[in-house]
Amino acid sequence: SQKIEQNSEALNIQEGKTATLTCNYTNYSPAYLQWYRQDPGRGPVFLLLIRENEKEKRKERLKVTFDTTLKQSLFHITASQPADSATYLCALVGNKLIFGTGTLLAVQP
Amino acid sequence: KAGVTQTPRYLIKTRGQQVTLSCSPISGHRSVSWYQQTPGQGLQFLFEYFSETQRNKGNFPGRFSGRQFSNSRSEMNVSTLELGDSALYLCASSGGGTGLLQETQYFGPGTRLLVL
Repeated sequence: SQKIEQNSEALNIQEGKTATLTCNYTNYSPAYLQWYRQDPGRGPVFLLLIRENEKEKRKERLKVTFDTTLKQSLFHITASQPADSATYLCALVGNKLIFGTGTLLAVQP
Repeated sequence: KAGVTQTPRYLIKTRGQQVTLSCSPISGHRSVSWYQQTPGQGLQFLFEYFSETQRNKGNFPGRFSGRQFSNSRSEMNVSTLELGDSALYLCASSGGGTGLLQETQYFGPGTRLLVL
């Protein structure tokens, strides 16, 4: 069955550093991959979408890569800020929508 | 534009009861999807409605059902509640014109259901 794995533990980094979150998947060939941010008590908020034929996508301080050979996506936040602290979810988009369990990012001031 | 709204925000029920949750999508959006979120299983897709028809369905038992009205508002019903149904239920809306899977999902704040 399809499986998505994100960084299993919380990620703690210092303000100003680059945070890198990982999304690995198996038994699936997504056409798209999306990243969402979720704050406690709120629904997820869409951040970026990357298609299977795109290697990299950027939006302000965010960068996403998508390697269909490795079956992996990396999500980077450069110059991280405490306000970036949240849970980040990846979602695979193919013949159905599958979410990862998320990575909790904590940016320390 | 107002965002996706869900009511109620919190709900406590007992085993065996049934519950109905409501979702109002962003104005102009025709697709509404429902998700269940639990700490152990994460965010799982329940079903999607588009133009009052169920268009996609996840792997949940028949106790979970939904419907969509002509104004795109949607309801989700869970019958014969079990303890394991305790979760955050999220709905999301999208334009829906190109199909659920290619469009950004705009999520509501969720309804937190506790089954005792």
